[in-house]
Amino acid sequence: QKEVEQNSGPLSVPEGAIASLNCTYSDRVSQSFFWYRQYSGKSPELIMSIYSNGDKEDGRFTAQLNKASQYVSLLIRDSQPSDSATYLCAVNLNTGGFKTIFGAGTRLFVKA
Amino acid sequence: EPEVTQTPSHQVTQMGQEVILRCVPISNHLYFYWYRQILGQKVEFLVSFYNNEISEKSEIFDDQFSVERPDGSNFTLKIRSTKLEDSAMYFCASIGQVQETQYFGPGTRLLVL
Repeated sequence: QKEVEQNSGPLSVPEGAIASLNCTYSDRVSQSFFWYRQYSGKSPELIMSIYSNGDKEDGRFTAQLNKASQYVSLLIRDSQPSDSATYLCAVNLNTGGFKTIFGAGTRLFVKA
Repeated sequence: EPEVTQTPSHQVTQMGQEVILRCVPISNHLYFYWYRQILGQKVEFLVSFYNNEISEKSEIFDDQFSVERPDGSNFTLKIRSTKLEDSAMYFCASIGQVQETQYFGPGTRLLVL
């Protein structure tokens, strides 16, 4: 069973701080990795995608991928109260078809 | 900006009844997905669909479930005989090219009584 693991949190950070979210995955040959944000009762919305080892930056967000360690992370700089949400890590499995597995998510609270 | 739409937004049904959840993916997208999320739990993959056939399905997607793209625009999920444990939010998603971002619809909240 292919798994995506995340710390469920909650992770609480003060406004303006850096929030660090982590994810590990079990499928060694996965190629595509995604971070989604989900507000309560809403659908997931994409924050970042990453496909290669290393860092990828987009505004206040940086995704980091280490395929050797099967680890992907998301850093949120200058955290804002509006960043308070559940952050979902998702992995496209290399099954020959199209299958995406989500982690259970990490709840983030940004305190004003 | 194009978006995925889903109808209905909410559905209440009696156990044992059939339900059909509808999705209209983004018009030029080729790959379609259904997920479910039981309240307080994670987003679970149900099925993916490409070229008018199922590409992958999970253990959840048993004989009670079926998918169809009846008219080239709609993408439907049918649950033949609903059970209490089918109560969840059901999300449709679509992508244009393999490995691209999935765009999610707003979801249908299904309550089975």
